[in-house]
Amino acid sequence: GESVGLHLPTLSVQEGDNSIINCAYSNSASDYFIWYKQESGKGPQFIIDIRSNMDKRQGQRVTVLLNKTVKHLSLQIAATQPGDSAVYFCAENIIQGGKLIFGQGTELSVKP
Amino acid sequence: DTAVSQTPKYLVTQMGNDKSIKCEQNLGHDTMYWYKQDSKKFLKIMFSYNNKELIINETVPNRFSPKSPDKAHLNLHINSLELGDSAVYFCASSQGDRAKVFFGSGTQLSVL
Repeated sequence: GESVGLHLPTLSVQEGDNSIINCAYSNSASDYFIWYKQESGKGPQFIIDIRSNMDKRQGQRVTVLLNKTVKHLSLQIAATQPGDSAVYFCAENIIQGGKLIFGQGTELSVKP
Repeated sequence: DTAVSQTPKYLVTQMGNDKSIKCEQNLGHDTMYWYKQDSKKFLKIMFSYNNKELIINETVPNRFSPKSPDKAHLNLHINSLELGDSAVYFCASSQGDRAKVFFGSGTQLSVL
């Protein structure tokens, strides 16, 4: 069935370290992937996206890696800051239907 | 100049009541959505509309009736509220169904 899962529900890192959040997806028909950040009491906020014709995409302090062979997506945050503390979701957009399917979410805590 | 705005932010009501949540986007997008986030932070699509037409209805009970008076608005009316309807409801929009989705700040619904 359709599902997007995350390997770790919680992640704690030291301020200044790099963070890696992983995501496994199961739908081979997905061709567009998005990472969202959700802070407490707010809606999901777009971080970065990647299409299936790419393996890697970089933004400001964030990098998304896509491995289609093993259906794996990761979000790397460089020099993690306290403001990065939030729940991070990966989402996949399947070709048919055009809907976003969200993973469970990983809560990132940054220790000062 | 909030991009996707929804009201109210909090909604507390008794079981059996009927309530509505309003949503407006000023991004000029043609596609709007309602998502439900449960207590475990799981986000699931409920409906999507494209240019006022229903595109996706994810087997949501017919007590939930979305209405799109124009492409900038998508309201959600819920009849005969049940305890299990308690959740955070997010409105969202995108330009087409293959693009990044922008979310509102959510409406926390509590059914007592």
